[in-house]
Amino acid sequence: KNQVEQSPQSLIILEGKNCTLQCNYTVSPFSNLRWYKQDTGRGPVSLTIMTFSENTKSNGRYTATLDADTKQSSLHITASQLSDSASYICVVSARGGATNKLIFGTGTLLAVQP
Amino acid sequence: DSGVTQTPKHLITATGQRVTLRCSPRSGDLSVYWYQQSLDQGLQFLIQYYNGEERAKGNILERFSAQQFPDLHSELNLSSLELGDSALYFCASSVAPAGEDTQYFGPGTRLTVL
Repeated sequence: KNQVEQSPQSLIILEGKNCTLQCNYTVSPFSNLRWYKQDTGRGPVSLTIMTFSENTKSNGRYTATLDADTKQSSLHITASQLSDSASYICVVSARGGATNKLIFGTGTLLAVQP
Repeated sequence: DSGVTQTPKHLITATGQRVTLRCSPRSGDLSVYWYQQSLDQGLQFLIQYYNGEERAKGNILERFSAQQFPDLHSELNLSSLELGDSALYFCASSVAPAGEDTQYFGPGTRLTVL
């Protein structure tokens, strides 16, 4: 069964600190893995998208890693800011049929405190 | 601003009623996706259209239907509404047909069924 699990469920950190969010998946056949940031009550915004051959991708202070062998990904946030408070969603795309199937994790809720 | 627009922003209606949600994709995007996000739940894929044709179906109820018009805007129709249909409904768009590229999400329509 295709599944995406994220940890931790929630996280509180102080402004300026770094943090790492985890995503484990059992999705086959794998197409790509995406990280989205979703502010409360707003639409998700894409941070990174990685294919099988990519193991690191950065977008400003956000760095995603992918280990396709262990089926794990992480999102590292450097020098956190108050505006980083949001839900971070890992989405894995499975190839197949007319359209790739997107399997969504339930997200990690990050709160950055001053 | 993702370039995807959704109307209305908020909708309050009663059980048994029917509503229509509207989405205009980013300029140049041919794919439109609809998602439902209930309180404290992850995003659930409902349906995808590509260039006017239904491309993929997810967990969409029979009471729900959608279409994509020649100008590429899309509408999601929800009928015989139940309390459990209260949720945020997001539309996303992308260029490619098979879900392999980045999806850009709209701001969402918050539906409240009383």
